[in-house]
Amino acid sequence: SAVISQKPSRDICQRGTSLTIQCQVDSQVTMMFWYRQQPGQSLTLIATANQGSEATYESGFVIDKFPISRPNLTFSTLTVSNLSPEDSSIYLCSVERGVPYNEQFFGPGTRLTVL
Amino acid sequence: EDKVVQSPLSLVVHEGDTVTLNCSYEVTNFRSLLWYKQEKKAPTFLFMLTSSGIEKKSGRLSSILDKKELFSILNITATQTGDSAIYLCAVQETSGSRLTFGEGTQLTVNP
Repeated sequence: SAVISQKPSRDICQRGTSLTIQCQVDSQVTMMFWYRQQPGQSLTLIATANQGSEATYESGFVIDKFPISRPNLTFSTLTVSNLSPEDSSIYLCSVERGVPYNEQFFGPGTRLTVL
Repeated sequence: EDKVVQSPLSLVVHEGDTVTLNCSYEVTNFRSLLWYKQEKKAPTFLFMLTSSGIEKKSGRLSSILDKKELFSILNITATQTGDSAIYLCAVQETSGSRLTFGEGTQLTVNP
């Protein structure tokens, strides 16, 4: 498996502000992903964080709202901008590891509440 | 668009019971199906299935995939209260690594 840490574990933010979530992995990985889990729902992929290039966003998610950085192969950040109550969710990073079929492992998650 | 449907959506059993959770899927170019257990925030990896008919086991948990009928089952025998969680099924295409998740099955095991 992989040891993945996320910071912060939880936060309460005011409407209109932004929150940056950090994801750190214990060793280099090629693929890192950011997911969102809204209350009572399943996980939805926001984007794939690509090292050295712009993130690849899924339909319905845009860079202005969810800017992502991937400065190296062990670290990524997700910023949730211009927060509204609808952004209250759990945000999870995941990494892919394994040969030949790559298993995905998740970080501990960040619970965001927007007031 | 990929689709994953899990059933039942919720299940309440007594300790010692055996449960079977179902996952059916529609995906254009199937690569793998994954099962996760989610207790608080983070989904914990259970199994990855890529081939039909090969059962994967870990303790009291086992899972099998049927690529012809497009479904998988997750069995838990001799359930314990610690098995109470949401069990998530996800599929992955050959074209990339993105996971498409089902809604999950909320399992509650009562003492």
